Order: sequence, then structure tokens, then C-alpha cells
Amino acid sequence: DTGVSQDPRHKITKRGQNVTFRCDPISEHNRLYWYRQTLGQGPEFLTYFQNEAQLEKSRLLSDRFSAERPKGSFSTLEIQRTEQGDSAMYLCASSMTQETQYFGPGTRLLVL
Amino acid sequence: QKEVEQDPGPLSVPEGAIVSLNCTYSNSAFQYFMWYRQYSRKGPELLMYTYSSGNKEDGRFTAQVDKSSKYISLFIRDSQPSDSATYLCAMSAFAGGKFQFGAGTQVVVTP
Repeated sequence: DTGVSQDPRHKITKRGQNVTFRCDPISEHNRLYWYRQTLGQGPEFLTYFQNEAQLEKSRLLSDRFSAERPKGSFSTLEIQRTEQGDSAMYLCASSMTQETQYFGPGTRLLVL
Repeated sequence: QKEVEQDPGPLSVPEGAIVSLNCTYSNSAFQYFMWYRQYSRKGPELLMYTYSSGNKEDGRFTAQVDKSSKYISLFIRDSQPSDSATYLCAMSAFAGGKFQFGAGTQVVVTP
């Protein structure tokens, strides 16, 4: 499968715990995006990378959230001290610079 | 007011009918317009990608963009039960930029 992959697909955690999600983009795609989607809403932009450089972060991304793409390939999104409001689907997408975005299956997070 | 408005539905149509979906937006800087299909608990799947105003057709799908009215549409011909899903519009100001999504319209095609 050469599409965008995300791991884990589901995560249940207790409030206050840290969680980390991984995204593997389509091979050779130099841009990688993170979005968050809650029930009944469209995805909301969080951040994106071109290669290893983080180009933009949404104001939605509090200081508890951090994303990295250390070698310009896969990316990780970490949430520290999770809150119940962090429960959502976290979506990763990738693209070539001037092209549209292809999404992965998402990681569904539930914070108890 | 949201930058992108989309009727959440649900929109129920009989099999074989034409499904008509639309979004309105307020940001005149948007130039790239996308439609995605999302099945329950899955990631969005790209259907159509258009630049600026005009029409684009791909199989049973037709996308229309009217930038003067800030209005985009997606038509699905000969709808099938497998088309039952949530349809998301998305748009961006520049190629490769972040997307602004609508809330999605739930479509139900009944046999």
C-alpha cells in the first residue's frame, strides 16, 4: 500500500497522560499536514511541514501539542497532559509542493 | 461566521438520482477547490480538485466553481448506495497550502 499510513489507528488514554501519533506520508511527498476532526465537523488545520521545516502552526495548536518531521519523511504529533477536549480524529495528509493533499486513515483518540 | 459554509444534511436521495452538493465561502483569496468523500470512521478520500472558476468532470462526478459568487458545487450522477457518505468541500489560497474545510454534508442513497 503506497498511501498515507498512520499509527496507531485508535488510542484510549487517561486525562493527563502523553500520547504520540505517527504518520508516514506517500513516498517522495515533501509536504505533510496534520488536521484534527471532531464529530460532525470538517477537519481543522493544525500544522504542516515542507521536508523537515515546520512552515505553519494553527492557533489551535496549544503549547501541549508538538509536531516533528526530523528527516523529512515520517512525522510525529505529541500531545502532552491530554485533556478530554483533545478527543478527536487526528488526520495526516501529504502532497507534493504544488499538488493537492491525500489523507491517511486517521488516529482516533479518546481521552477518559 | 465560518469561512466555509456547508449544509450538514442529511440529504436523502433514491438510487439513480442526481446528488447536488454545494459550499459557499467568504475568503476571496481561495483559488483551489477540492471535494472529498469520507466514510464513517475513515480518512477523507479525494474526489475532485479544481483551480479557479469553471467546470470539471470525472466519470459520474462534476465539480463547478463560481468565484464571482463564492460558490462551489459537486454533482453526482446515477447515484449508488455506495455513494452514501459524508462529502467535504475544502479550499486553499495557494497550491500546497493549508485547507479550510466545510463541515461536510451527509448523503444517503436509498436502494
